[in-house]
Amino acid sequence: NAGVTQTPKFQVLKTGQSMTLQCAQDMNHEYMSWYRQDPGMGLRLIHYSVGAGITDQGEVPNGYNVSRSTTEDFPLRLLSAAPSQTSVYFCASSYRGADTDTQYFGPGTRLTVL
Amino acid sequence: AQSVTQLDSHVSVSEGTPVLLRCNYSSSYSPSLFWYVQHPNKGLQLLLKYTSAATLVKGINGFEAEFKKSETSFHLTKPSAHMSDAAEYFCVVNNNNDMRFGAGTRLTVKP
Repeated sequence: NAGVTQTPKFQVLKTGQSMTLQCAQDMNHEYMSWYRQDPGMGLRLIHYSVGAGITDQGEVPNGYNVSRSTTEDFPLRLLSAAPSQTSVYFCASSYRGADTDTQYFGPGTRLTVL
Repeated sequence: AQSVTQLDSHVSVSEGTPVLLRCNYSSSYSPSLFWYVQHPNKGLQLLLKYTSAATLVKGINGFEAEFKKSETSFHLTKPSAHMSDAAEYFCVVNNNNDMRFGAGTRLTVKP
């Protein structure tokens, strides 16, 4: 199994540009989530999904959209990038909810918005 | 809302000495609690988790944590630090898929 994969690993955007961060898992996990990691703040939950067709907001959802059309994929879309979205983004998955199950994290995407 | 406070942003120990990373949580419910580790430029890996079973939880690499409801704490310990333990550690509280991470504790291990 490849586990949780994320693309790209690095990305530089200009303010106002849009882009999609890709996340895929091959473990047949129902639960998937996106986090951003900023210095001194740990990880913050952006959006999560408990299954195909179901998504919900986390702690910091503004400026981001998600969709879950398949079990395997959970892309994160930045509609109009802002410098405040400069961060490292992690995707994670688990069998069911995050309450009791181990979450498996991808390697991260480092995004810089100029 | 629930939250996590990691009481030390940086802990430095000598190799072979005990490790203590402190975590206090706030939650209106009976939460699940986790410790994750992040090595430099890597993703996160689960060390251990508490999900309302035994209050003393054993994890990987010799780490363990004790859930103390009266103190709302979930401190991480290891009897003897190894150089490979140098990393950033995150305490996490979770209820109904609302995961909240602490700010992290950077552990340095000196030879």
